[in-house]
Amino acid sequence: SYELTQPVSVSVALGQTARITCEGNNIGSKSVHWYQQRPGQAPVLVIYRDASRPSGIPDRFSGSNSGNTATLTISRAQAGDEADYYCQVLDVPTVIFGGGTKLTVL
Amino acid sequence: EVRLVDSGGGLVQPGGSLILSCETAGFTFNNSAMTWVRQAPGKGLEWVSTISATGISTYYAESVKARFTISRDNSRNILYLQMHSLRAEDTATYYCAKDRSGWPYWGQGTLVIVSS
Repeated sequence: SYELTQPVSVSVALGQTARITCEGNNIGSKSVHWYQQRPGQAPVLVIYRDASRPSGIPDRFSGSNSGNTATLTISRAQAGDEADYYCQVLDVPTVIFGGGTKLTVL
Repeated sequence: EVRLVDSGGGLVQPGGSLILSCETAGFTFNNSAMTWVRQAPGKGLEWVSTISATGISTYYAESVKARFTISRDNSRNILYLQMHSLRAEDTATYYCAKDRSGWPYWGQGTLVIVSS
């Protein structure tokens, strides 16, 4: 079965750029979605179809996908960005999530 | 405004059954596939099941296949998840979500605890 691998944790200094990776076999051929989840809350879609942002998501959030790695980039990191982040793909007929990455803003 | 409201969670004994509901509003329900996702305490997200817009096609994670049944009532705009033979490892917050993948809309979640 298809697997997605994310780093367990990523740290970033306030105001700097954080990059969270999601690795999967030839993931570049799939459409990747990213979710932010704060404690006690439902997930929020922050990037869909590799690089598109839903309305209301700041342009500090961006995505890319090529080869075996998809990346969520958070520019000018803020304290409010501290959360868990999950990548997700559709591997027909199933849906696959990465294990999640805890982002800490220092 | 799109709204998804999950309900039906609670405490159930191992081997027991439970039915979750997701009441929806603000979009054309019978044009949308719908999905259940769960999250065990302190763990990551896990896809559970998806149903097509018409209800004809259903898909399940291996961990719940043959125990859970997803269904929908397109006349009442409600999504269901029937859960049978529940196990301790089914303890989780269950979320409904609109569409097949890449979900912009989620319910608030309903907690299911399987314990004696």
